[in-house]
Amino acid sequence: EPEVTQTPSHQVTQMGQEVILRCVPISNHLYFYWYRQILGQKVEFLVSFYNNEISEKSEIFDDQFSVERPDGSNFTLKIRSTKLEDSAMYFCASSRRDSASTDTQYFGPGTRLTVL
Amino acid sequence: LAKTTQPISMDSYEGQEVNITCSHNNIATNDYITWYQQFPSQGPRFIIQGYKTKVTNEVASLFIPADRKSSTLSLPRVSLSDTAVYYCLVGGGYSSASKIIFGSGTRLSIRP
Repeated sequence: EPEVTQTPSHQVTQMGQEVILRCVPISNHLYFYWYRQILGQKVEFLVSFYNNEISEKSEIFDDQFSVERPDGSNFTLKIRSTKLEDSAMYFCASSRRDSASTDTQYFGPGTRLTVL
Repeated sequence: LAKTTQPISMDSYEGQEVNITCSHNNIATNDYITWYQQFPSQGPRFIIQGYKTKVTNEVASLFIPADRKSSTLSLPRVSLSDTAVYYCLVGGGYSSASKIIFGSGTRLSIRP
């Protein structure tokens, strides 16, 4: 069964450093998403991406964040200058959104980001 | 996006059937009902999705009454490994990419 994969599983960085989180969505999916979950809190939407541009973004997704689909398979989330409060699990998701018009999103296992 | 209400937590025992009910009074005509499961430190996992009546797969059943203002996720013969948070979500019937707004979910604890 196809699945979303994410690397690395755990990333430790110093405050102020740049990090890039990587995702490989399911191959025939067209819509891509990033969510995050701070320990003990709800899963929060960050951004959705389609046709090489951002479809929607939340208040959390400020100028420090960017997304990119550098090739036909990878989808990345970059945080330019990490802050302590960026420590969280980051989940990538993808959906197909075919003619059936349901938007079932499939999530990856997550990257645990720890900012020291 | 329609708001959902579900119990904060539930307890049950191995081998029992567990039913988690979700209220979504403002569901729109083109909305689907989707349930996800999340284990600690893992991504939400799609369980089941339906529009009306009953849907069954190898993991669960989803019961949706005619007015679609609520739905019930039924897990048959639960085991310890079913201990997780379960999210009821309504939406997904849009023509453009739609974000998922997660609530707090129902924390299901299964005891031996």
